[in-house]
Amino acid sequence: GNSVTQMEGPVTLSEEAFLTINCTYTATGYPSLFWYVQYPGEGLQLLLKATKADDKGSNKGFEATYRKETTSFHLEKGSVQVSDSAVYFCALSITGGGADGLTFGKGTHLIIQP
Amino acid sequence: NAGVTQTPKFRVLKTGQSMTLLCAQDMNHEYMYWYRQDPGMGLRLIHYSVGEGTTAKGEVPDGYNVSRLKKQNFLLGLESAAPSQTSVYFCASRLLSMNTEAFFGQGTRLTVV
Repeated sequence: GNSVTQMEGPVTLSEEAFLTINCTYTATGYPSLFWYVQYPGEGLQLLLKATKADDKGSNKGFEATYRKETTSFHLEKGSVQVSDSAVYFCALSITGGGADGLTFGKGTHLIIQP
Repeated sequence: NAGVTQTPKFRVLKTGQSMTLLCAQDMNHEYMYWYRQDPGMGLRLIHYSVGEGTTAKGEVPDGYNVSRLKKQNFLLGLESAAPSQTSVYFCASRLLSMNTEAFFGQGTRLTVV
């Protein structure tokens, strides 16, 4: 089956630190990959996505590259801010693989200290 | 510009009571989903729908029922609430294509006492 594995945290960093949140996946087909962000008290919102190998998704200073050879989609940001404190979810979907939506990781709680 | 709207946002139920959570989307999406989110468990799929009049079970369907009588609405029902159903519930929708992202509602925080 399909699965997504990510570090659960909490991950605590100081402001302006470099961020990496690891995400690896297992898929029976050729997935699209997503990062979602959930701010306190809110629903999930798409942060970035990549639909084919070697694609780089980017948004708000965050980046992630679709690495088929290592089945990974690690999230990075060069200099984090307090406002980046949130829960981050890695997710995949399989083209033609059924209609039960996305497969999510369990989420990584990120805490940025001033 | 509403996107996905969930009602209510908060609710407290007594054990054994029933309720219905409403999800409405205005993006003409085919797929709709209900998830629950619990600490340390991530998101778990309860039920989903691929179109008007169709529903299917997800990972944790027991104790819940759903209906999709209109394309824009997806209802989640609890017939006899239990404390184990205390959770935050999220509705999501997406287009037919698997390369598109899901859009989420703001969530419903349900407490069963």
